Amino acid sequence: GQQLNQSPQSMFIQEGEDVSMNCTSSSIFNTWLWYKQDPGEGPVLLIALYKAGELTSNGRLTAQFGITRKDSFLNISASIPSDVGIYFCAGVSGAGSYQLTFGKGTKLSVIP
Amino acid sequence: DGGITQSPKYLFRKEGQNVTLSCEQNLNHDAMYWYRQDPGQGLRLIYYSQIVNDFQKGDIAEGYSVSREKKESFPLTVTSAQKNPTAFYLCASSILLLFRTGNTEAFFGQGTRLTVV
Repeated sequence: GQQLNQSPQSMFIQEGEDVSMNCTSSSIFNTWLWYKQDPGEGPVLLIALYKAGELTSNGRLTAQFGITRKDSFLNISASIPSDVGIYFCAGVSGAGSYQLTFGKGTKLSVIP
Repeated sequence: DGGITQSPKYLFRKEGQNVTLSCEQNLNHDAMYWYRQDPGQGLRLIYYSQIVNDFQKGDIAEGYSVSREKKESFPLTVTSAQKNPTAFYLCASSILLLFRTGNTEAFFGQGTRLTVV
């Protein structure tokens, strides 16, 4: 099946720093989704991207849909302790195909 | 409020028993999904359904069964054939729009943690 390579796998940052993570694939996706998961909870949708080149913000979060449609990145600016969690990217490959392919996640730790 | 609800949040099962996890949504979504998550792993697709009375196997369907008798409900049964059922199970739903690429956001329930004792 399709695979998404998400990196980094984990990161430790100081509070106030900016964070960047990305997902790449050998396949084309028509939609990219970014989720955050807190321990013991379901993932919560942060940002959805629908067009190649699209740049979308949600508060301190910014995500971009790569021009090639094979990658996406998520930036978090001025990190705070509540940003701690696991961030997942997910892709939807095309019209009529409603399976989500997930990356393995980036575990973010913020040091106060 | 609209949303997707999984129950129970924690479930304990003895080896050799079947157990059913509930997933209900009132978002009027056509598509529903079941994922399994193991520690430090991403989400793996077990089964999905795009319409009532129809469902498809995902990547790890062996040892699981589902039904979709109502649009709102997509229960997952973990059977005794599943060799390693201890995991965190997540249900999701999304609007199904044929021939359009937009609005394919999926929303998740809170998850059910299944432990075999």
